[in-house]
Amino acid sequence: AQSVTQLDSQVPVFEEAPVELRCNYSSSVSVYLFWYVQYPNQGLQLLLKYLSGSTLVKGINGFEAEFNKSQTSFHLRKPSVHISDTAEYFCAVSVGTGANNLFFGTGTRLTVIP
Amino acid sequence: DAGVTQSPTHLIKTRGQQVTLRCSPKSGHDTVSWYQQALGQGPQFIFQYYEEEERQRGNFPDRFSGHQFPNYSSELNVNALLLGDSALYLCASSQGGGQPQHFGDGTRLSIL
Repeated sequence: AQSVTQLDSQVPVFEEAPVELRCNYSSSVSVYLFWYVQYPNQGLQLLLKYLSGSTLVKGINGFEAEFNKSQTSFHLRKPSVHISDTAEYFCAVSVGTGANNLFFGTGTRLTVIP
Repeated sequence: DAGVTQSPTHLIKTRGQQVTLRCSPKSGHDTVSWYQQALGQGPQFIFQYYEEEERQRGNFPDRFSGHQFPNYSSELNVNALLLGDSALYLCASSQGGGQPQHFGDGTRLSIL
């Protein structure tokens, strides 16, 4: 079975400071990894994805994530956050090919402080 | 290019009633998945439809059923509503399997 653990439920950070949101997964097979962002009263927007290839993945809005197979992690980072980055962030995995149902973590609430 | 659209945006029902939620996928997408997001939680996979058939199903009771139409749009039906069914229901579409999913803004279902 697959599972996703987001280690921090809330992360406050000052504007223009760097941030890292942590994600660990467990799976007995190869996985695809995703980060989604959810703004209030909206659906989920894809930030970035790891399907294969380079383990450092760049996404939208200046975010990047690194796939670490040995540590089964896929942490999300941004070097300098903005007020507009305040939102809920979800890490997700899907398994195998041809079957892309997503397993989500419980989310990390990022709050950027002016 | 319209993204994933869901209707209605909000819905209030009482226990025991039945509800139908609707989803139109992003243009060019043929696969539709439904998720339930309870307050303060991550989305949970309900089921996925492809070529008008349920291809995969998560751990949800038979009260949750769905349908996909020839134009790839989809419906989620929930019977005998319980208080615990109150949640945001998200529809996501993709082109085939293994591709990133695009989400709609969801339908907020409240059960009184």
